[in-house]
Amino acid sequence: RKEVEQDPGPFNVPEGATVAFNCTYSNSASQSFFWYRQDCRKEPKLLMSVYSSGNEDGRFTAQLNRASQYISLLIRDSKLSDSATYLCVVRGGRRALTFGSGTRLQVQP
Amino acid sequence: GAGVSQSPSNKVTEKGKDVELRCDPISGHTALYWYRQSLGQGLEFLIYFQGNSAPDKSGLPSDRFSAERTGGSVSTLTIQRTQQEDSAVYLCASTSGSYNSPLHFGNGTRLTVT
Repeated sequence: RKEVEQDPGPFNVPEGATVAFNCTYSNSASQSFFWYRQDCRKEPKLLMSVYSSGNEDGRFTAQLNRASQYISLLIRDSKLSDSATYLCVVRGGRRALTFGSGTRLQVQP
Repeated sequence: GAGVSQSPSNKVTEKGKDVELRCDPISGHTALYWYRQSLGQGLEFLIYFQGNSAPDKSGLPSDRFSAERTGGSVSTLTIQRTQQEDSAVYLCASTSGSYNSPLHFGNGTRLTVT
């Protein structure tokens, strides 16, 4: 089993839609969690950290479910510019920081 | 402020040659990672440095790959006797190492082996 797993997608959604991604992790001792965004042929950039109580940044909401060992990212009112690959990152375990393979989002006009 | 700096941004080399890729992390960051990403693929972990601890080399794909980090700052990834399958973007990232500190990536080095 991979340490961090994501549905690769692609998720094809119309502009204005709400879309959610999940990411599961295997190490119950994991300490912190992040969502990154990666545009085509660019380096990953931090989108947001994920806090235990859940957190929101504009149209983006991140949640952590420690009991079921997953994190989620919700995007409301999708924009064309949200089209990218979304990577979840988990801190904890032998390598300290582990990336999921990413979920591709395509927002269509 | 200054981010993670990688050089060169692009490198084209002939099969069989050695290459060196450089990463300058953010000042004060104790942890440094190297990743590789082939076109359309996810990030492949290569190596991880944390302070003065022995590096985690478990992701290096073969003994042609090596990396060092001098003085706890600049890191160099060396690929000997390059092969065409080594063609990829090599990404370096650094973090302060505290549990809630995210990774900051450089722009990467695009390596093409002809």
